[in-house]
Amino acid sequence: RKEVEQDPGPFNVPEGATVAFNCTYSNSASQSFFWYRQDCRKEPKLLMSVYSSGNEDGRFTAQLNRASQYISLLIRDSKLSDSATYLCVVNMGGNTGKLIFGQGTTLQVKP
Amino acid sequence: DTAVSQTPKYLVTQMGNDKSIKCEQNLGHDTMYWYKQDSKKFLKIMFSYNNKELIINETVPNRFSPKSPDKAHLNLHINSLELGDSAVYFCASRTGGAGETQYFGPGTRLLVL
Repeated sequence: RKEVEQDPGPFNVPEGATVAFNCTYSNSASQSFFWYRQDCRKEPKLLMSVYSSGNEDGRFTAQLNRASQYISLLIRDSKLSDSATYLCVVNMGGNTGKLIFGQGTTLQVKP
Repeated sequence: DTAVSQTPKYLVTQMGNDKSIKCEQNLGHDTMYWYKQDSKKFLKIMFSYNNKELIINETVPNRFSPKSPDKAHLNLHINSLELGDSAVYFCASRTGGAGETQYFGPGTRLLVL
């Protein structure tokens, strides 16, 4: 079983749609959680951290369910510029900052 | 004013050659990383250094050897390159603490022929 699992997609949605991505992780000792965004042929960049209480940043909402070991990302009112691969990322804890990446979910927003 | 830079951006070489990739960060971070992203897009940690000390050493062939001359630089040397080494190699850095963001370099696209 992969340590971090995501549906690779692709998700093809029209502009203005709401889309949700899910992710599960296998190690219950995981300490912190993130969504990164990776554009085609570019480096990953932090989109947002994910907290148990849920957090929102504009059109983006992230949620963590530690009991189910499940992380989600909701994008409202999709824009063409949201087209990218969204990486679910788990920090295993300790002071090394070791990150485990999911395979990524590809989103294509169409006009 | 690039935060994390890598050279070269592209590297095309023959099997059996030895090559190096360089990484530099000007963020004042203590910890640096090397990741490999294969053709299936999985991004996997290879090595990490904290202030010139190796702290992560994943199951990577010993043909790969990281070197950190100072905390702002982390280089990756690869001996006897193989076809399967073809990938994008990303360098990253962070300050410290489990929740801290990692900042990635632009990547080095390695193609072994």
